[in-house]
Amino acid sequence: QKEVEQDPGPLSVPEGAIVSLNCTYSNSAFQYFMWYRQYSRKGPELLMYTYSSGNKEDGRFTAQVDKSSKYISLFIRDSQPSDSATYLCAMSGNSGGYQKVTFGIGTKLQVIP
Amino acid sequence: ETGVTQSPTHLIKTRGQQVTLRCSSQSGHNTVSWYQQALGQGPQFIFQYYREEENGRGNFPPRFSGLQFPNYSSELNVNALELDDSALYLCASSPEGRGNTGELFFGEGSRLTVL
Repeated sequence: QKEVEQDPGPLSVPEGAIVSLNCTYSNSAFQYFMWYRQYSRKGPELLMYTYSSGNKEDGRFTAQVDKSSKYISLFIRDSQPSDSATYLCAMSGNSGGYQKVTFGIGTKLQVIP
Repeated sequence: ETGVTQSPTHLIKTRGQQVTLRCSSQSGHNTVSWYQQALGQGPQFIFQYYREEENGRGNFPPRFSGLQFPNYSSELNVNALELDDSALYLCASSPEGRGNTGELFFGEGSRLTVL
C-alpha cells in the first residue's frame, strides 16, 4: 500500500465549475500537508500549506485536512482555464531526524473554456 | 529575489555514463533537496542537504550522490546510468527552519534521457 494515494485523473471540468481534488494517506506520522501545482514541463509550485485538521482558504483555493480519516482535499472555486495543470498533494513527517516529504502521483486537471 | 535555478535543462546520456546536475538555491535558503520525477509520477525524494551535510536520504542506491557548497548551491551526481534513470530531476530549497515542514521551492528541473 502506498503511503499517499491520489487519483491521477484526468479530470475535465467546464470553466467556472468547483473542482474537488483529494488524497488519502496511511502514515499517522504526517504532520504537514501541502498542495503543489505543476504546469507541463515545469517544476511544482507550492499552493497551499496546512498543519492541523480543518480548513484553510486562500482566494479561490480551500485546503481541507481530516486527520481522523487520513484524508485531505483541495477545492478550487470558479475554475479558470489557467488552472489547467497537475495538482500534487504532499505530506511531511519526521523520519529519522528530518522531515520527509512524500508526494502523491498528481491529478491532471483540465478546465475547458 | 532569485528563485531556484537548475542546469542543464535537458541532457541525453547513454547507459553506463555519469551525469552531474547543478542547482542554485533561492537566496536565503540553506536546505536543498533533490527529487526524481518519472513521467506520470509524483516526485520521489532522493536526499536532502542542510549546511553542507546530508541529513536525509530516500530509497535510492549509492550511485546517486550529492554535494552542497558553502553558498548553499548543490550538485546531484549519478554514476553508471541506467535506462530507468530517465526522469525530471528537481531541486528544491527551503529557508532556515522551514526545510522540516515540507515547504519546498522548486526549480524548473533537469530532464535526463538515458539511451
